[in-house]
Amino acid sequence: AQSVTQPDIHITVSEGASLELRCNYSYGATPYLFWYVQSPGQGLQLLLKYFSGDTLVQGIKGFEAEFKRSQSSFNLRKPSVHWSDAAEYFCAVSGNKLVFGAGTILRVKS
Amino acid sequence: GAVVSQHPSWVICKSGTSVKIECRSLDFQATTMFWYRQFPKQSLMLMATSNEGSKATYEQGVEKDKFLINHASLTLSTLTVTSAHPEDSSFYICSAREWEGSNQPQHFGDGTRLSIL
Repeated sequence: AQSVTQPDIHITVSEGASLELRCNYSYGATPYLFWYVQSPGQGLQLLLKYFSGDTLVQGIKGFEAEFKRSQSSFNLRKPSVHWSDAAEYFCAVSGNKLVFGAGTILRVKS
Repeated sequence: GAVVSQHPSWVICKSGTSVKIECRSLDFQATTMFWYRQFPKQSLMLMATSNEGSKATYEQGVEKDKFLINHASLTLSTLTVTSAHPEDSSFYICSAREWEGSNQPQHFGDGTRLSIL
């Protein structure tokens, strides 16, 4: 069965600092991986996706993620965080269904 | 592109009433839509997969008689919470894929917050 682990429940970074959100997945076949962002009381917005090819994928809002098969990881990064990035971030793996991690809440200090 | 609209965004009703939530794909057709439930401070749990023109596929533990799903057209799926009780209070989110295939992303509506008094 597929599963996703996001080890960090909360992360706080200063505005302008770099960000890395961790995601580890478990899936027997080639994984299709996604990062979504959710603002309070709203639905999910797709940031980026990976299913083949270049292991470094670029997304919207300046985010990128790197797929590392050897580590079963798909970490999300951003070089310089803006206050508007404060939200909850979900990593997900798609097999026969889309399975989400528990989410990481990002707080941005000014 | 790939916009999913969900309505209503917020509903409060008395215990025992039924509530219908609509999910529409605005600029694409979706043979499959998905319904999720999200408890406070938790992740999304798939409730059911809605299939256009056929019965929905429910996840284990989800009561199909409690959560009725109808996918009557390629752009509309509805979730009806029948005889709702306070324990049904939650945030319900729908999604759809613009293209079929598990490598294709799901696009989400803005969710419906359901509060049963």
